[in-house]
Amino acid sequence: KNEVEQSPQNLTAQEGEFITINCSYSVGISALHWLQQHPGGGIVSLFMLSSGKKKHGRLIATINIQEKHSSLHITASHPRDSAVYICAVSRSGNKLVFGAGTILRVKS
Amino acid sequence: KAGVTQTPRYLIKTRGQQVTLSCSPISGHRSVSWYQQTPGQGLQFLFEYFSETQRNKGNFPGRFSGRQFSNSRSEMNVSTLELGDSALYLCASSLEYEQYFGPGTRLTVT
Repeated sequence: KNEVEQSPQNLTAQEGEFITINCSYSVGISALHWLQQHPGGGIVSLFMLSSGKKKHGRLIATINIQEKHSSLHITASHPRDSAVYICAVSRSGNKLVFGAGTILRVKS
Repeated sequence: KAGVTQTPRYLIKTRGQQVTLSCSPISGHRSVSWYQQTPGQGLQFLFEYFSETQRNKGNFPGRFSGRQFSNSRSEMNVSTLELGDSALYLCASSLEYEQYFGPGTRLTVT
């Protein structure tokens, strides 16, 4: 079993829909990261969180430390949100362990 | 502030050769981490350097090595290249724990 599990693997949504991507991890962590990767490879850090909830524009990330679970929500999805979303956890220093990613496609 | 830069962006090498990739972090960032991304294995941590010292290491063979200079710029070296080393190599710099990724170097081994 991987240390970091993401679901779903693939997600297709209509523009305007509310989207949720889930991430579960199996070990204690110091922080959880949500990353976005567009075709071509560039990775952008969306959130880093160790407790509670963070919001940035239409994106919301939550984490439940007791349940070892995090969710990334996208409200009012748009085709430009189409990308791969990756959950990663850090345990010591900046060593990240990654989930397999969720491929999101938002259709107009 | 300028972002993380990586050179070269694309590289084609032959099996058995060696390669050196370079990463310049955001000014003021002392930590540089390296990652390998392949379609089969996804993203995997290679190593992290902080103030010229390797602070963390992933599970890669000794053919993969790195170093960091006093200006925080980092290099990674892969010796005796194998076909399976074909990948996107990403570096990320950080001030504390949030990481800023470079555009990556796409290495193809033929």
